[in-house]
Amino acid sequence: AQKITQTQPGMFVQEKEAVTLDCTYDTSDPSYGLFWYKQPSSGEMIFLIYQGSYDQQNATEGRYSLNFQKARKSANLVISASQLGDSAMYFCAMSAMFSGGYNKLIFGAGTRLAVHP
Amino acid sequence: NAGVTQTPKFQVLKTGQSMTLQCAQDMNHEYMSWYRQDPGMGLRLIHYSVGAGITDQGEVPNGYNVSRSTTEDFPLRLLSAAPSQTSVYFCASRSGQGSFNEQFFGPGTRLTVL
Repeated sequence: AQKITQTQPGMFVQEKEAVTLDCTYDTSDPSYGLFWYKQPSSGEMIFLIYQGSYDQQNATEGRYSLNFQKARKSANLVISASQLGDSAMYFCAMSAMFSGGYNKLIFGAGTRLAVHP
Repeated sequence: NAGVTQTPKFQVLKTGQSMTLQCAQDMNHEYMSWYRQDPGMGLRLIHYSVGAGITDQGEVPNGYNVSRSTTEDFPLRLLSAAPSQTSVYFCASRSGQGSFNEQFFGPGTRLTVL
């Protein structure tokens, strides 16, 4: 069965510093995708970044990068130069080709990030 | 484009009442899904659709019905609401066959069942 584990219920970071949010996953499917979503206090789900299981390089999107370590089954989100607006809940999610298909996202429990001035 | 829209934003029901949560998207996406988010948890898939007329169950389908008569709309029906269905409901859509394109989420509907 597929599973996403986020072991950090809450994280604190000083503004302008970098922070890493942990995500480990479990799947026996050889083809899968890993996603990070941000949920601010307003409640909407905002897509941040995606990594495919066959991608050779780590994904990057602006200040967001995904530290993908396939052998360790980890897909940590790195936010560089944190901003006050980064304070939110962050979810790691996965879908796998043969374990539910592209449309079935499995989510972790989330990490609440607080950015301090 | 409005993206994915959901109505209502908030709803309070009594146990046993029925209602329909509306979801629409204007991006011509083939794939649409419904998730629920309970406190302290990530989202869980209820039902999804891969196109008009085609639906399938997700992780937590009991107590919910869906149908997909058009590409744009994907309503979620609660036939007999229970307090366990108190949650925030998100509709999502995505495009592209054979790929891991991201899902776009609606703003959510906060449902309370008394």
